[in-house]
Amino acid sequence: GQNIDQPTEMTATEGAIVQINCTYQTSGFNGLFWYQQHAGEAPTFLSYNVLDGLEEKGRFSSFLSRSKGYSYLLLKELQMKDSASYLCAGMDSNYQLIWGAGTKLIIKP
Amino acid sequence: GAVVSQHPSWVICKSGTSVKIECRSLDFQATTMFWYRQFPKQSLMLMATSNEGSKATYEQGVEKDKFLINHASLTLSTLTVTSAHPEDSSFYICSASEFSGSSTDTQYFGPGTRLTVL
Repeated sequence: GQNIDQPTEMTATEGAIVQINCTYQTSGFNGLFWYQQHAGEAPTFLSYNVLDGLEEKGRFSSFLSRSKGYSYLLLKELQMKDSASYLCAGMDSNYQLIWGAGTKLIIKP
Repeated sequence: GAVVSQHPSWVICKSGTSVKIECRSLDFQATTMFWYRQFPKQSLMLMATSNEGSKATYEQGVEKDKFLINHASLTLSTLTVTSAHPEDSSFYICSASEFSGSSTDTQYFGPGTRLTVL
């Protein structure tokens, strides 16, 4: 079956670095997405990886290892506004999104 | 875990026809369902929020007469794109929440429906 696993909740300190892991099993693979979702708002696109490696975009970076079925989202210089849920979603061979349940990130001062 | 399905997965239609997309919560009762639209590598754009048994609430700029939403039961919501045109081609994603009244309740997302209008 198809599945996405990510931690339910993480806590980090303002100014620190946090890594949110995601493992996936999909029928075929057409990329891995990360979204940020603040409470009560629509998810916003953060990154898309389809090739192995690290992609950096400002304070956020995303990594993909296709052989391991593994991705992570790295957030640096954490700010209070980064408190949100982070959704990992894999796209299968039919271009369907398989969603993780989301990781609630709590930032403490 | 909570599972949300969508049907069809993808659809190709001619311009001017109407297309119905179904969103179902498979193992829980979804008091609230959300319909999103997504363009490639972009954020999900909320189109409307529907609560079972009542009219949907549309976001600003979304034509309610073009995108008809029916949330007739606690496990099914439908989005009908009426008189579809090529600019309506997009990836439509639904999500469902068990609770109503709070916009912060957890949403469970469907796999999406890819609509291509020729």
